Amino acid sequence: EAGVVQSPRYKIIEKKQPVAFWCNPISGHNTLYWYLQNLGQGPELLIRYENEEAVDDSQLPKDRFSAERLKGVDSTLKIQPAELGDSAVYLCASSRTVDNEQFFGPGTRLTVL
Amino acid sequence: GESVGLHLPTLSVQEGDNSIINCAYSNSASDYFIWYKQESGKGPQFIIDIRSNMDKRQGQRVTVLLNKTVKHLSLQIAATQPGDSAVYFCAEISGNTPLVFGKGTRLSVIA
Repeated sequence: EAGVVQSPRYKIIEKKQPVAFWCNPISGHNTLYWYLQNLGQGPELLIRYENEEAVDDSQLPKDRFSAERLKGVDSTLKIQPAELGDSAVYLCASSRTVDNEQFFGPGTRLTVL
Repeated sequence: GESVGLHLPTLSVQEGDNSIINCAYSNSASDYFIWYKQESGKGPQFIIDIRSNMDKRQGQRVTVLLNKTVKHLSLQIAATQPGDSAVYFCAEISGNTPLVFGKGTRLSVIA
């Protein structure tokens, strides 16, 4: 069984530019999560989807961040415009339901110059 | 002691020795705890979990101990191997709240 797939693995952009990350969860997993992980810290939840519905986005900075999961499968996370402080690893995870084990992807490492 | 930002607590052990990684959690209402292992360039990987109605759970080479009185969780790794070198995070869940990760500990295994 393939794991959670994320792309790109690395992204370097200049501040004020837009950037997008893509996640393909494990097949059959209804719940999808986006996390932010700063260097030396544990992941912090940005948004959680149940199928195509965002059920917890309280930690998502909505002035510049947006996410979508249009068909309840793949998801994209976008930042526009990016700021220097957005440099971090963006992790995607999925689980069968919200009560099941989460499986994490390898993450996208974003560097904003 | 506590470390912030780039300065992860580090534990160095000799190959073959046992490792004990500690975690203090904050929410006394948390009812489910998980230990994750994160290798460089990878996402966190589930190791073992424990519910709040238990105080000990064993897996293959790993044991998790839970002390709810002092809100303390530990991960014991028996016969530590070079492949165990990674950053280890504890995480807690309370009801329907999101998974909350604690500060990580970097385990370095000396061959």
